[in-house]
Amino acid sequence: DAKTTQPTSMDCAEGRAANLPCNHSTISGNEYVYWYRQIHSQGPQYIIHGLKNNETNEMASLIITEDRKSSTLILPHATLRDTAVYYCIVRVASRGGADGLTFGKGTHLIIQP
Amino acid sequence: GAVVSQHPSRVICKSGTSVKIECRSLDFQATTMFWYRQFPKQSLMLMATSNEGSKATYEQGVEKDKFLINHASLTLSTLTVTSAHPEDSSFYICSANGFGTRVNEQFFGPGTRLTVL
Repeated sequence: DAKTTQPTSMDCAEGRAANLPCNHSTISGNEYVYWYRQIHSQGPQYIIHGLKNNETNEMASLIITEDRKSSTLILPHATLRDTAVYYCIVRVASRGGADGLTFGKGTHLIIQP
Repeated sequence: GAVVSQHPSRVICKSGTSVKIECRSLDFQATTMFWYRQFPKQSLMLMATSNEGSKATYEQGVEKDKFLINHASLTLSTLTVTSAHPEDSSFYICSANGFGTRVNEQFFGPGTRLTVL
């Protein structure tokens, strides 16, 4: 799986949009971008994933650049409960869920009141 | 839907004892379950991949005789830490692959914190 680079930490004011960047310059054509988050002392939670089109769900939006070398996760209205470590993971998604995930260090997002 | 549970949530044991951790998919069947370990202030590390009815596949550096994995059904996988030592103290997290259109997502359990005295 391709390597990803994320900032170690970020702050965001409550109620504002949180934009978390991820670089994945070596991504292959068949690799998807996945985002998970881990709130302290809990198991990770799936957020969103995409291949090349922008995606949106009830939790977040994912913006992938046209060259697919980077992406941004957007939490439109951050709340204190969004404080967590956010992991950007690039992986092939054609093996029917047979592969485990490789977690990097992630971004520690801190939402400030 | 897609809820994964773990039991126990926390366990404290003496050095040399064995500890079993259960991972269950509550409302779906998971063909594949995964076990991760997370040390303080570090990221999750994949330990092994568990397929129902077959032997688990362990990541490099993970001792299969120390971390016994049994995946007896499509809703249950167990991890047994044998002869636990203080260095095995960690946060153990399981996950299960999704189903249908969500087959490439992983649903994680809440984790089990193991402390070996």
